[in-house]
Amino acid sequence: DTGVSQNPRHKITKRGQNVTFRCDPISEHNRLYWYRQTLGQGPEFLTYFQNEAQLEKSRLLSDRFSAERPKGSFSTLEIQRTEQGDSAMYLCASAKLGGGDIQYFGAGTRLSVL
Amino acid sequence: AQSVTQLDSQVPVFEEAPVELRCNYSSSVSVYLFWYVQYPNQGLQLLLKYLSGSTLVKGINGFEAEFNKSQTSFHLRKPSVHISDTAEYFCAVRFGGATNKLIFGTGTLLAVQP
Repeated sequence: DTGVSQNPRHKITKRGQNVTFRCDPISEHNRLYWYRQTLGQGPEFLTYFQNEAQLEKSRLLSDRFSAERPKGSFSTLEIQRTEQGDSAMYLCASAKLGGGDIQYFGAGTRLSVL
Repeated sequence: AQSVTQLDSQVPVFEEAPVELRCNYSSSVSVYLFWYVQYPNQGLQLLLKYLSGSTLVKGINGFEAEFNKSQTSFHLRKPSVHISDTAEYFCAVRFGGATNKLIFGTGTLLAVQP
């Protein structure tokens, strides 16, 4: 059990560019979550997968955001045409079906949009 | 609307003193309750959880919390804090129903002074 892994840890981009983040969940965890955390706030839910199916999406997830989990293992979160307001920490969590659905978080990817 | 409230944005306390971090949530038929800790530039680490059973739950690093259904609270306590406990603490709730997402409070910075 190596924990939830997120890459990259930091990303600096210019406004208008596309960025993609990757999350590798704990092995055998079939649920995967994405959250966004801005300075001074708690994490806010973005989306959730069970295996490869995206079962819930927040209204925060605008059309510029897309998430995938093609084989039910790792997941990617892409932001198109980044805006300065997208600057935040993007957190990934995974959980095992049953057993209280306890979510374990990765270290996050910090995005800075210049 | 479902919400989680952490009224104290910052709690200063001297080393070896007791501390209580407050968390209240909007009323719901069923809830699953969590406390997470976040150290600077890191992800969230699970401190403790309430899923069912005894209302007093113990977690890592000497922390404990008590679920009070009538007051819709889940306050976090530690009898004697250390400098190393300085961090941001987040209360999170999974409200029963079709959703699996966590709703977080805005966090409380525990600042332990020597």
